[in-house]
Amino acid sequence: SQKIEQNSEALNIQEGKTATLTCNYTNYSPAYLQWYRQDPGRGPVFLLLIRENEKEKRKERLKVTFDTTLKQSLFHITASQPADSATYLCALVVSGTYKYIFGTGTRLKVLA
Amino acid sequence: KAGVTQTPRYLIKTRGQQVTLSCSPISGHRSVSWYQQTPGQGLQFLFEYFSETQRNKGNFPGRFSGRQFSNSRSEMNVSTLELGDSALYLCASRGSYEQYFGPGTRLTVT
Repeated sequence: SQKIEQNSEALNIQEGKTATLTCNYTNYSPAYLQWYRQDPGRGPVFLLLIRENEKEKRKERLKVTFDTTLKQSLFHITASQPADSATYLCALVVSGTYKYIFGTGTRLKVLA
Repeated sequence: KAGVTQTPRYLIKTRGQQVTLSCSPISGHRSVSWYQQTPGQGLQFLFEYFSETQRNKGNFPGRFSGRQFSNSRSEMNVSTLELGDSALYLCASRGSYEQYFGPGTRLTVT
């Protein structure tokens, strides 16, 4: 079956450390993969996009990697802050379609 | 630019009733997608409309339907509501590659 898994439902880390979130997919041919942030009671907010032919993307303290051989994307937040506490969702866009498939999310809590 | 707006924000309905939710995308965006979000299932794709045509559809029963108007505003309808339809319904308009989500409509079915 086709699915996207984010390996941790919840992740607690200390302020200042690097948070690493994982997104694995099976049976998809992705055109690109995106990461979103969602705060309680709000809609997801787009953070980063990485295409199938890209290995790494960076934006300020955020970094995304994409390994199509392993069928995995890693999302890193460096120098994490309590304000980074939120649920992070990965979304895969299937090649040849406009269909977004979302993972179930990882709830990140950065402890002060 | 104004963001994606959804109305109403909260709704309580009784089993068996029907409900219509509304979404106004970002000005200039022609694609609107609808999602259902529940704690157990996460964010699940319902359907996508582009220029008034349904372009993609998820795996939901026919009780869930939608439409898009010429001004890109979209509505979603759920008929014969079931308790399991209680969820946060999100709509998103699509830019070049990313989606911009509205705040959602929290539907509670009693």
